[in-house]
Amino acid sequence: AQRVTQPEKLLSVFKGAPVELKCNYSYSGSPELFWYVQYSRQRLQLLLRHISRESIKGFTADLNKGETSFHLKKPFAQEEDSAMYYCALSFFQGAQKLVFGQGTRLTINP
Amino acid sequence: DTGVSQDPRHKITKRGQNVTFRCDPISEHNRLYWYRQTLGQGPEFLTYFQNEAQLEKSRLLSDRFSAERPKGSFSTLEIQRTEQGDSAMYLCASSGILGSEKLFFGSGTQLSVL
Repeated sequence: AQRVTQPEKLLSVFKGAPVELKCNYSYSGSPELFWYVQYSRQRLQLLLRHISRESIKGFTADLNKGETSFHLKKPFAQEEDSAMYYCALSFFQGAQKLVFGQGTRLTINP
Repeated sequence: DTGVSQDPRHKITKRGQNVTFRCDPISEHNRLYWYRQTLGQGPEFLTYFQNEAQLEKSRLLSDRFSAERPKGSFSTLEIQRTEQGDSAMYLCASSGILGSEKLFFGSGTQLSVL
């Protein structure tokens, strides 16, 4: 079965420090991986997806098929990065039927 | 706000009652999705529509749950004979029809079953 694991429920780092949110997935086919973010009192929104290979708000994520991982990274954390982050996997081609991890709450300390 | 809207924002009901939620997607979006999120978990897929056709339902969706999208615009999700385990945030999302188009989520309906 398809599964997404985010091992850290909570992650706290200081402003300016590097951030890495871990995501591992279980799927035998060719997945599409996403990171969604929910800021305080806002809706869940897409942060980035692996097929775009882009950097959004300084965040990047590389799909590592050998390690079945899609970790989210940012070299220098900012206070506005504090939010709930969800890694998600789409295995159904042609529709956004997503399997989400349980999320990591990131807190950036001043 | 031209995003996905959901109504009501909060619903408190007694066990055994029926409840209905509404979702209005972004107007040009063909696909509409329902997800459920319980405390401390990520959203779980329930069902999705392409226009008015319900193309897939999760096994999570018991017979007490029914969703409709009668004219391919707004959608309703009804839960009959609610149980305490139905307490959750019900999220609606919409997207265009191309395969990897991103989901736009609504703010959700928080259901509490007493």
